[in-house]
Amino acid sequence: DAGVTQSPTHLIKTRGQHVTLRCSPISGHKSVSWYQQVLGQGPQFIFQYYEKEERGRGNFPDRFSARQFPNYSSELNVNALLLGDSALYLCASSLEWGELFFGEGSRLTVL
Amino acid sequence: LAKTTQPISMDSYEGQEVNITCSHNNIATNDYITWYQQFPSQGPRFIIQGYKTKVTNEVASLFIPADRKSSTLSLPRVSLSDTAVYYCLVGDSGAGSYQLTFGKGTKLSVIP
Repeated sequence: DAGVTQSPTHLIKTRGQHVTLRCSPISGHKSVSWYQQVLGQGPQFIFQYYEKEERGRGNFPDRFSARQFPNYSSELNVNALLLGDSALYLCASSLEWGELFFGEGSRLTVL
Repeated sequence: LAKTTQPISMDSYEGQEVNITCSHNNIATNDYITWYQQFPSQGPRFIIQGYKTKVTNEVASLFIPADRKSSTLSLPRVSLSDTAVYYCLVGDSGAGSYQLTFGKGTKLSVIP
């Protein structure tokens, strides 16, 4: 069975650019959440979506946005990239609440 | 927002039992407490989840006191492969939306 898949696995951007990260949840999972993990720190919650609606939002600026599609896949968009946005971005899926299944992440480097 | 506190690091010898405690105030009535394990350059992996008292599965036990303001992950007879960062996760609806809060993590080093 396929787990949570994220793309791209690695990418490099420059300040001011825009980035789109993609996530495909486990089949049957309707909830997707996004996390930012800076090196040496724990994952920080960004968004949670369930049935295509935003269920939760973390303390991140409006430059961060996300959406969930009818097939439950999701995109995380970050505009006007800053050096501090360099991090591992993790996507997790779940049935609704409860156990989160994480992908391997997308490592973003902003130069 | 819920705040969680864990020891930054712990060392243990192979074969010993390891207990990692997480403190969490403002946990919501309906929230569960979940622990995750993370190896370098990988996403976190679910270990165990509980609501109150004690939960046990094939890899760990979770102890939660009646006030639910803390939880203790117990790993029996650790091996070198248990060297990883361990996070406790609680939900917080106090801000009007459901926010999932990871602790800062405990880096467990298992020594031969």
